[in-house]
Amino acid sequence: KAGVTQTPRYLIKTRGQQVTLSCSPISGHRSVSWYQQTPGQGLQFLFEYFSETQRNKGNFPGRFSGRQFSNSRSEMNVSTLELGDSALYLCASSLRPSASTDTQYFGPGTRLTVL
Amino acid sequence: AQSVAQPEDQVNVAEGNPLTVKCTYSVSGNPYLFWYVQYPNRGLQFLLKYITGDNLVKGSYGFEAEFNKSQTSFHLKKPSALVSDSALYFCAVRDGPQGAGNNRKLIWGLGTSLAVNP
Repeated sequence: KAGVTQTPRYLIKTRGQQVTLSCSPISGHRSVSWYQQTPGQGLQFLFEYFSETQRNKGNFPGRFSGRQFSNSRSEMNVSTLELGDSALYLCASSLRPSASTDTQYFGPGTRLTVL
Repeated sequence: AQSVAQPEDQVNVAEGNPLTVKCTYSVSGNPYLFWYVQYPNRGLQFLLKYITGDNLVKGSYGFEAEFNKSQTSFHLKKPSALVSDSALYFCAVRDGPQGAGNNRKLIWGLGTSLAVNP
């Protein structure tokens, strides 16, 4: 069974631009969570989607948004990029929503660099 | 409030020696606890989890962890370290069904960098 895939793997943008990252969960998984990972802050939860509905949201500004499609694939969008948005963005999938006992399985991440 | 702490930023151990990576937590209900490992430029890989039952949990790659409710700890251990175990290790906790912390989101420690020296 294929794992979680994320595209693109690497991305370089300039301040003020916007970016869209994509995540395809493990087949059969309906919950997708997004995280931002930076050296100083560790993993910060962005949001979680289940069955095309946002179930949970972290403490990020409105420039960060996401959505989930009927096939469970998810995208996140960051508008008006800032230097501080440079990070590794990780997607994780699980069978059920994260409030369950299910394990989250992570993709390889998208490394975003904002210049 | 729900929280998790990994008190050591870095752990150094000689190959063949036992290793321990520490994790303590705080939740309002019974915890669900997880350990993940991250190799350079990779995503996180699941190692093991504690939901209920035996306090000693065995996971992937020879790792195990012991749930200690009185000390609110979930330390990761391995009897004999390998150089290939060198990586970043993350502990995470979620409040159980009886708890109401943070909408039961998964809360992550800041990670512990493990270096196994040959």
